[in-house]
Order: sequence, then C-alpha cells, then structure tokens
Amino acid sequence: QVQLQESGPGLVKPSETLSLTCTVSGGSTSGYYWSWIRQSAGKGLEWIGRIYSSGNTNYNPSLYNRVTMSVDTSKNQFSLRLSSVTAADTAMYYCARDVAGILGYWGQGTLVTVSS
Amino acid sequence: DIQMTQSPASLSASVGDRVTITCQATHDISYFLNWYQQKPGKVPKLLIYDASNLETGVPSRFSGSGSGTDFTFTISSLQPEDIATYYCQQYDDIPPTFGQGTKLEIK
Repeated sequence: QVQLQESGPGLVKPSETLSLTCTVSGGSTSGYYWSWIRQSAGKGLEWIGRIYSSGNTNYNPSLYNRVTMSVDTSKNQFSLRLSSVTAADTAMYYCARDVAGILGYWGQGTLVTVSS
Repeated sequence: DIQMTQSPASLSASVGDRVTITCQATHDISYFLNWYQQKPGKVPKLLIYDASNLETGVPSRFSGSGSGTDFTFTISSLQPEDIATYYCQQYDDIPPTFGQGTKLEIK
C-alpha cells in the first residue's frame, strides 16, 4: 500500500520560502506524477503543481513564478518550494500520487502558517 | 482555468435517503472528472474516477455519471458514515480544478 508523508516547517515568516518534502513508502516514485495540493478555508482545494519522476513539471499558472518542485527518486521523495509567501499561503498542504489527473493516494497533510 | 460549480453547497438528508450532488464545468471536459470525499479533519479520499468508475474498495452505494459539462454524484442510500464534504475535480486541463464542495449532514 502506497503511503505518503509530508514534512517541513509548520511556521514560515512572510516573504520567506516555504519548503516541504513528501516521502513515499510502499511504492516507488519512478514512473508517476506527484502532485501538491493545498486547502485553505478561503479558497478550498487548490492544485499547486506536479512533477514526474523524470523531473518534468506542471505548475498552476496562478503560482507559477513562485513554485519550484523537485524529485529525488533515490530517496523516494519529492519536494515543494514556494517563495515570497504571504498570509494567503497559510493552508494545509497535501502531497498526492497523480495518475493522469486522478489523485488516488494522499499524504496526511501538513499545516503551514505564514506569520511573523 | 476551468471552473467547477457544485450544487448544492450544503445538504441535509436522512439515513436511507437517496442523495444527489451535481457538478458543472465551464468547458467540455469529456469524462475527465473525479469525486472525492473528505470527512471532518481527514484527508480527501478518491471515490469515483473518470466520471463513473468506482475506486476499489468504495461501497457500491456511491455512483457517478455524466460527461461534457454536467455531472452527477449519487449516494443511493445514505449511511451515517457518509457525513463529509464531497468535491468534484476536473483533470481535462491544467491546472486541475476542484468544485467548492458540498457539505452533507444527517437530519
């Protein structure tokens, strides 16, 4: 059974960079897309972007100039960096396995608060 | 972006009732639509993919239908454990987008 676990700081200061990692167990990162999704009270569920195991990425245009994703197949991990954060980036962040747009496996989520 | 509009935003029904939620897309998305269930404090769970295919292990009282711009999600006989918020999601185009959710409560 594939399992995903997000990790990273729960508190980030405004204007700084949010960095999260998702560790995959019970399966390989190779051969799949891996997505990041966030959920805030104000905006519901928002897809941030995805990365293929080869490193190819697709980002949400609304975040395009602030998002960077990377993957380390040797560690079975993929990562999200979101720069220049503001309070609007406060949300629960989820990682998920993306099979042609179908999000079948999700991590438990990690709450990130942007505050000084 | 393709906008997804769910209706209703909230719904109260009795155990055993048939419950229907609709989802409308601003563009033709063929059958590229998923339905997720999110129980309070929990992670979204895939129930239906490709508009009408039941994910493995999901009870058969859940079903989905539709294509193009109009989709329907149905619970044939509501159970107490079905209390949750339900979301549709299109994946015909990047970025994938979600409906705003339908909060289902028991009367």
